[in-house]
Amino acid sequence: GAGVSQTPSNKVTEKGKYVELRCDPISGHTALYWYRQSLGQGPEFLIYFQGTGAADDSGLPNDRFFAVRPEGSVSTLKIQRTERGDSAVYLCASSASPGGSYEQYFGPGTRLTVT
Amino acid sequence: DAKTTQPPSMDCAEGRAANLPCNHSTISGNEYVYWYRQIHSQGPQYIIHGLKNNETNEMASLIITEDRKSSTLILPHATLRDTAVYYCIVPGAAGNKLTFGGGTRVLVKP
Repeated sequence: GAGVSQTPSNKVTEKGKYVELRCDPISGHTALYWYRQSLGQGPEFLIYFQGTGAADDSGLPNDRFFAVRPEGSVSTLKIQRTERGDSAVYLCASSASPGGSYEQYFGPGTRLTVT
Repeated sequence: DAKTTQPPSMDCAEGRAANLPCNHSTISGNEYVYWYRQIHSQGPQYIIHGLKNNETNEMASLIITEDRKSSTLILPHATLRDTAVYYCIVPGAAGNKLTFGGGTRVLVKP
């Protein structure tokens, strides 16, 4: 079946601009996660949704970062006033377990470059 | 999350078994060991997890020592497509986030 998809695959933006990154989880998966991966590093947790609500947003680095999942499926990660340090690969994952799970299925990521 | 320690890199010959070690000496009794891998330019891929018993699936085997302070992921017949960074993760009991360390960069050579 279809896996987790993320769009766009690449995004180049200028410093100070606003960007939106989209994640389509595996159909029926209620839990959704966002991670960020800088070059040469492992992924870092950003936020976890259970259904429509953010169950854990402790990884969001600051208030420029925000994510939504209004209908409990597709999620959008929003970054305001982008900075060069935001450049990274943004990964989305989903899991089938209603309570969330460490068995997560990742998308290919969106590579964000802030110039 | 319990801290894990993995060698930064290792080479393996194609067709041979690859044995990837992981130390997790501070693991608690109810914490599982998870393994993921990340092939270049792809998202991480779940491989296997276990608590205390050895586990096997179509991708790999997981051997956990009796004291649970270390484990070994075994790729029985490594192929060139197994070249990736392999992460050993012991998530905390609370929450659902995965904490990735540096992993082991495995290079399978022909």
